[in-house]
Amino acid sequence: IAGITQAPTSQILAAGRRMTLRCTQDMRHNAMYWYRQDLGLGLRLIHYSNTAGTTGKGEVPDGYSVSRANTDDFPLTLASAVPSQTSVYFCASSRQLKGYTFGSGTRLTVV
Amino acid sequence: RKEVEQDPGPFNVPEGATVAFNCTYSNSASQSFFWYRQDCRKEPKLLMSVYSSGNEDGRFTAQLNRASQYISLLIRDSKLSDSATYLCVVNIGGNRKLIWGLGTSLAVNP
Repeated sequence: IAGITQAPTSQILAAGRRMTLRCTQDMRHNAMYWYRQDLGLGLRLIHYSNTAGTTGKGEVPDGYSVSRANTDDFPLTLASAVPSQTSVYFCASSRQLKGYTFGSGTRLTVV
Repeated sequence: RKEVEQDPGPFNVPEGATVAFNCTYSNSASQSFFWYRQDCRKEPKLLMSVYSSGNEDGRFTAQLNRASQYISLLIRDSKLSDSATYLCVVNIGGNRKLIWGLGTSLAVNP
């Protein structure tokens, strides 16, 4: 894979539906992150994980959950999607807070 | 005051021009600093870290001024391919992780 893979690339989702955004990295980075990026608001941290088995809340965690069962995978789940969760979602990873490597993003539209 | 502030631009410059961006940060305890580049509808990519002594990578030079709490990015001999949004990023330590500026838009014109 050589980096971070996110799936799906884009999705249109009905409000109220549950959805999981997938993120996988093959760099053995300890830390992983989920961001959303919205026009005028920039990148905002949703959740993060410093290492497998641990997670933490970021700036905008409400309505989202994450898990980190192993080093490579860090899925983000929207339990019941709302239109305000329409955004571009980026997964990232880093080693000891060096520069982040980002996935190519998931464009989510909630209608 | 926002924790990290950037002039949104856009900066429109001709090819070959030199252009500089500044970014100010509010937390004096900030520990490390980065510049990222983001192309339209793409993911951010690390351009360079910013070191206290300043650092250069080809046409790009980054400077840090801790006393005035700003970092800068200088691009010399601008290329069309430099057109992008440049994001200033600050690490204030702890679980706050990285704080991102909103970005400065650069358009290099032929």
